[in-house]
Amino acid sequence: ETGVTQTPRHLVMGMTNKKSLKCEQHLGHNAMYWYKQSAKKPLELMFVYSLEERVENNSVPSRFSPECPNSSHLFLHLHTLQPEDSALYLCASSREITGDSYEQYFGPGTRLTVT
Amino acid sequence: TQLLEQSPQFLSIQEGENLTVYCNSSSVFSSLQWYRQEPGEGPVLLVTVVTGGEVKKLKRLTFQFGDARKDSSLHITAAQPGDTGLYLCAGTNTGNQFYFGTGTSLTVIP
Repeated sequence: ETGVTQTPRHLVMGMTNKKSLKCEQHLGHNAMYWYKQSAKKPLELMFVYSLEERVENNSVPSRFSPECPNSSHLFLHLHTLQPEDSALYLCASSREITGDSYEQYFGPGTRLTVT
Repeated sequence: TQLLEQSPQFLSIQEGENLTVYCNSSSVFSSLQWYRQEPGEGPVLLVTVVTGGEVKKLKRLTFQFGDARKDSSLHITAAQPGDTGLYLCAGTNTGNQFYFGTGTSLTVIP
């Protein structure tokens, strides 16, 4: 596979469930990102990892827990979500997190619905 | 506060028409990118501009970075239905912070 892949593509979960989103990049990049995209809102950056270390956490509720075991894989663990968390969750990667190297390559996203 | 404001927010035009989308900020950006996102998919990088006044062309798309590196525009000539999508600008400011714009949703009617 090439580029950035995300699984699952669609997820429906209840508020008491625990699930995980997975992202894998095959581009040899050092940085990975989680974004939330809701209807009629700009892309919201959630987490940034550079060389497997978290470098940014934009006041995201603790019910979202990221994990980056290596530079190719990124997870987003979900538990006790709320209906307003329903959105498209996008993963992206870039070579680095500086200057032009911020060019990001996105996965297709996971469409999450919380019931 | 939204650092990168895009206009218009929504645009619906007939096939064959020309259009321009704007991305504006009060901050200086060291580089700026344009992405296109189709429904149900992630954004796809179209171009990066880094020099004030720079113009880049990608087939029928022309991208310009403002002289002061605070704004950018995307011009599409003879729009096609395949150009339909959400156009996003994004940039890195001089403080090395990265932001996405508010987005312009374009619909090209056959």
